[in-house]
Amino acid sequence: AQSVTQLDSQVPVFEEAPVELRCNYSSSVSVYLFWYVQYPNQGLQLLLKYLSGSTLVKGINGFEAEFNKSQTSFHLRKPSVHISDTAEYFCAVSEAGATNKLIFGTGTLLAVQP
Amino acid sequence: DTGVSQDPRHKITKRGQNVTFRCDPISEHNRLYWYRQTLGQGPEFLTYFQNEAQLEKSRLLSDRFSAERPKGSFSTLEIQRTEQGDSAMYLCASSLRDQETQYFGPGTRLLVL
Repeated sequence: AQSVTQLDSQVPVFEEAPVELRCNYSSSVSVYLFWYVQYPNQGLQLLLKYLSGSTLVKGINGFEAEFNKSQTSFHLRKPSVHISDTAEYFCAVSEAGATNKLIFGTGTLLAVQP
Repeated sequence: DTGVSQDPRHKITKRGQNVTFRCDPISEHNRLYWYRQTLGQGPEFLTYFQNEAQLEKSRLLSDRFSAERPKGSFSTLEIQRTEQGDSAMYLCASSLRDQETQYFGPGTRLLVL
């Protein structure tokens, strides 16, 4: 079975500062990795995904993430955040080649302050 | 492409009542998923359809929950004899077969009093 750990429940950061949101996963099989963003009272929007190939993936809104197989991590980064990036961010995994059901972490609230 | 839609967006009910939610996936998406999200938590998988066949159900899905997807298009999720612990956001997502990306709807927020 897969599991996802997001150790930081909340990350406060000032506008225009860089940010990293941490995600570690556990799985005995090959997985796909995802980052989703959720704005208040809305559904989830895909930021980026890793399926295979290059371990550095770029997504929307200037976000990127790096897959590290040896450390079983998939941390999300942005070099300069904006107030509008304030939202809940979820890391998720799915088992490659299966039903693709997503297993989510508990989320990290990115709170961007002026 | 109009996205995944869910109806209603909000539902308040009294304990013991039955509720039904609807999800309309993106046209031609043959995979449909239901998730439940409680406050402060990530979404948890409930069930999965490929076309009209329900292929997987989570152990979270008690016998009070039932989901259908007649004709492989829209899906309904029914909760019978609701309990306060059922209060949550219910999210629907769809994808194409062999495509890993799931597209989520806005969710239905349920409050059981």
